[in-house]
Amino acid sequence: EAQVTQNPRYLITVTGKKLTVTCSQNMNHEYMSWYRQDPGLGLRQIYYSMNVEVTDKGDVPEGYKVSRKEKRNFPLILESPSPNQTSLYFCASSSRSGWRTKNIQYFGAGTRLSVL
Amino acid sequence: DQQVKQNSPSLSVQEGRISILNCDYTNSMFDYFLWYKKYPAEGPTFLISISSIKDKNEDGRFTVFLNKSAKHLSLHIVPSQPGDSAVYFCAQGAQKLVFGQGTRLTINP
Repeated sequence: EAQVTQNPRYLITVTGKKLTVTCSQNMNHEYMSWYRQDPGLGLRQIYYSMNVEVTDKGDVPEGYKVSRKEKRNFPLILESPSPNQTSLYFCASSSRSGWRTKNIQYFGAGTRLSVL
Repeated sequence: DQQVKQNSPSLSVQEGRISILNCDYTNSMFDYFLWYKKYPAEGPTFLISISSIKDKNEDGRFTVFLNKSAKHLSLHIVPSQPGDSAVYFCAQGAQKLVFGQGTRLTINP
């Protein structure tokens, strides 16, 4: 089954304690991305990756890191989490294609993070 | 600056009637638009898309209309069903998507 898998689904942590949210896709997609969803703000892109070892900042990258060492995995790292990073996080992937219809992004089920 | 706005946070519609969700955008440079649907505790799922070479795209009960001069798009659901109750996001772009704030649609029996 084609899917994007995020772990953990729920996480409560304390300020300053480093954490990693994993994301894995089994569709051989080149493009992967992280978003955060906050009330009244929709989904905002944090970081994206066009392919292995190629990453770039999205609209709200401050306080986050990513890496893309393998095509299927795109972990999101919070080196020193703060309460303003309490949010719902989504990982997404898509095929990089010249046809826009194939650029539909597929999302994971989300990770709800609370930073106390 | 690329902005996508959904000005109605919520919408309530009777089952069987038409649901119309609206979206406005500011930057015409990005000519591909998508609608995503999101249920609680799930990730967004793709619903329907349209490119700027068209002004309408239809898929079953779902139709998206694009008005380029007004920088406006809308999603029509006819007839509305209880299972359509969800949050709907419009988005603009190709690989990099910019999303609107979302509209929570409730279909009443």
